[in-house]
This record gives sequence, structure tokens and C-alpha cells, in this order.
Amino acid sequence: SQQGEEDPQALSIQEGENATMNCSYKTSINNLQWYRQNSGRGLVHLILIRSNEREKHSGRLRVTLDTSKKSSSLLITASRAADTASYFCATEGFSNDYKLSFGAGTTVTVRA
Amino acid sequence: DSGVTQTPKHLITATGQRVTLRCSPRSGDLSVYWYQQSLDQGLQFLIQYYNGEERAKGNILERFSAQQFPDLHSELNLSSLELGDSALYFCASRKGGLNTGELFFGEGSRLTVL
Repeated sequence: SQQGEEDPQALSIQEGENATMNCSYKTSINNLQWYRQNSGRGLVHLILIRSNEREKHSGRLRVTLDTSKKSSSLLITASRAADTASYFCATEGFSNDYKLSFGAGTTVTVRA
Repeated sequence: DSGVTQTPKHLITATGQRVTLRCSPRSGDLSVYWYQQSLDQGLQFLIQYYNGEERAKGNILERFSAQQFPDLHSELNLSSLELGDSALYFCASRKGGLNTGELFFGEGSRLTVL
């Protein structure tokens, strides 16, 4: 099945620094999505990038997609304490065999 | 507020019991997804419904079943509960089926099996 795998598993940064996390997947995708989860809460959608797109921005977020390497990265610039959360990527393919599958996530801690 | 409502928020029960988790999707959303999140296994896809019909199945145990009703709400039934079933169960919804954009997640139902 499609499954994103995030790297690193955990990241600790100082407020104001940038945070970068990566997602790798195994087979062709239609789109890749990034979500954030605050501790014990529901996931919140951040950004969706389609397979024909290479880069997308939303506020302080920048997502890249390299379909040749089957990988994506999420960059959070000028991080804030409120960015402390787990971040997940999810991939979706071209048939219902490929469920919207999530990886194990990257836990980001932003130190004040 | 995502617009997806899950009940109950917390549930404590004993091994061998059966529970039902309920999900009301956002107004107008036809697709409902169920996920299980446990500490050691991340977010696992269980099952997806679209307009009342099962569309995709993940590693859902035979002891678990789900359905989506004509009013589009969905229920996840967990039976013969084991300690390992303790987890957060999330429901998510979106308007369409495959490749139709973001999922909206509920706040989850936290199940503790003692």
C-alpha cells in the first residue's frame, strides 16, 4: 500500500529556526498531503501537492515534491512554540487500492 | 472545529467487551475514513466508506466492523476487545472519494481496554 515514511522521527529546534522534515513513499502517487497533530488531538490539514507540482507555499510552510526520488519535504520557517506538534505526510494513488495512508510522523519540538 | 463529530470522546471498558464509536461527518461530505492511532504503530488506516458503500479496507481486524448509514454518519464496532485495542480512533471525512482533497478529522475517541 502507499505509505509515507517521515524522517527524522523527532526534531528539536530553537524558536526562530527553520524545521525541515522529509517524506518518502514507494509507488506513483496522485497527490501528497501534510498534516499536523497537536498532542492527542485530531489531525489538521496543512497543504496538498499534486504529482505535477514541484513546490507549494502556504504562509511559513514550503513543500517540495520530487517524484523521481519519490520524496517530499516540508519546511517550516521562523518556527514558533506553537509549531510544536507531530507532522505527518499522507499519499494517495490512482485507485482505491491506495488508501490515504499515513506515515509514523515527525515530532517537532520548538524550544523558546 | 473541523465539523466532524466523534462520540464518545473517552471510553474505558474491559477485555472481551464490545463498543461502538460514532462519527458524524461534515455536512455534505460523502466519504468517511476510520483510523487507529496507537503509540507503537502510528496512524493505521482501517476502512473507508463513500455514500454508504465500503470503498477501501486496511488492516482492519475481523473483530472490528463498520458501516455508513443513509444519513452518512458512520459507526465503528469493536468486539472481543483486547488490551492491544487501546488506542485513539479517528474518523475523517471529505466531500468526494479518491483524490478529492484534504481530509477533515474529528477529535478522536480514546479507547482504554483494561
